[in-house]
Amino acid sequence: DPKIIQKPKYLVAVTGSEKILICEQYLGHNAMYWYRQSAKKPLEFMFSYSYQKLMDNQTASSRFQPQSSKKNHLDLQITALKPDDSATYFCASSLQGDNQAPLFGEGTRLSVL
Amino acid sequence: GQQVQQSPTSLVLQEGENAELQCNFSTSLNSMQWFYQRPGGSLVSVFYNPSGTKQSGRLTSTTVIKERRSSLHISSSQITDSGTYLCALCLHNYAQGLTFGLGTRVSVFP
Repeated sequence: DPKIIQKPKYLVAVTGSEKILICEQYLGHNAMYWYRQSAKKPLEFMFSYSYQKLMDNQTASSRFQPQSSKKNHLDLQITALKPDDSATYFCASSLQGDNQAPLFGEGTRLSVL
Repeated sequence: GQQVQQSPTSLVLQEGENAELQCNFSTSLNSMQWFYQRPGGSLVSVFYNPSGTKQSGRLTSTTVIKERRSSLHISSSQITDSGTYLCALCLHNYAQGLTFGLGTRVSVFP
């Protein structure tokens, strides 16, 4: 059973719309992350959260907003979607403090038309 | 420029052949690791290897930090080894994210 659940697996959106990508982890981890993988680009770190607080933000655009309603949730809200936002978005989690390498979810593949 | 350079970009192997994947980095770092990305896209950590040589089954990773390089050796390749192998650096700590290379796409044929 996957311990990091990302929903949906695939998502199609129209330009200008807003979508929320869901991530839940059942590993007892206290740190969660978002990464993005666009075509022909390396996997790119976006955000890190620990105990529901932002630790680091490497995303220039404010259209990307993480939301943490529970300690094992870190959703990603994307507003005013653009075709360039098309990518696979990976959620990850780890035990911070142990400096433990993150485990990754299966990803949500977003296509913006 | 890119901090993580992986080579080759792609590799085609006949089942049973060996392969060596390279990762060179242009910055000092805290640790590095290798990931395997399945054709469907999910990521699995293969090696956490800050330095030295580690082996797991048919895979061997060797990292020489002072030379800023790491290699991943696949011996007796199998069809199930097909996928993309990604090198990732932890520059300071995981809170600041991993820095990934573009990967080496490996295709193993019978």
